[in-house]
Amino acid sequence: EVQLVESGGGVVRPGGSLRLSCAASGFTFDDYGMSWVRQAPGKGLEWVSGINWNGGSSGYADSVKGRFTISRDNAKNSLYLQMNSLRAEDTAFYYCARGSASTTSGWFDPWGQGTLVTVSS
Amino acid sequence: EIVMTQSPATLSVSPGERATLSCRASQSVRSNLAWYQQKPGQAPRLLIYDASTRATGIPARFSGSGSGTEFTLTISSLQSEDFAVYYCQHYGNWPSFGPGTKVDIK
Repeated sequence: EVQLVESGGGVVRPGGSLRLSCAASGFTFDDYGMSWVRQAPGKGLEWVSGINWNGGSSGYADSVKGRFTISRDNAKNSLYLQMNSLRAEDTAFYYCARGSASTTSGWFDPWGQGTLVTVSS
Repeated sequence: EIVMTQSPATLSVSPGERATLSCRASQSVRSNLAWYQQKPGQAPRLLIYDASTRATGIPARFSGSGSGTEFTLTISSLQSEDFAVYYCQHYGNWPSFGPGTKVDIK
């Protein structure tokens, strides 16, 4: 069974940092690009960042560029999101999602269950 | 940046009726469009990709159409489990989602 499990969410103060992880299983991890998508409570979906199969190419939404860094460890079947200089508007559920191709592009299937990040003083 | 819009914001439908949801792109995305369903407290689930191809396990009552800038998701006969929020997404270099259409019970 293909599965994605996020971890690392929690409460952090404005200006703080947090690192999210996504553990993948049930498929050949390094065949696929991966992405992070977030959803503020009660709001819509926002693509945050994506990375290609070998980590050689990545992209970011303008809202997080320069503050967030996506990475992956194919030996550990894991995806990461390092989030620095966090703001209140970064409060959201963060979902890990598998892309449909080895690049950063494509549709997303499946998705993890999400991890909640709350930025508050 | 490609901006996705969806209409209507909310669609009230009776069980067994047909639902038609619209998605528009600010510029052509060819057929690089997906649809997702999200129920409260759950992650989104892929329904349609490449504008009209059903994902694995998705019932035939879900169908997608369109290309370029105009797209439609049709649910032919709404079942109780179909009441949810539906999002469209274009997938070019940098993906973006529409704001969603909530389908609720009339």
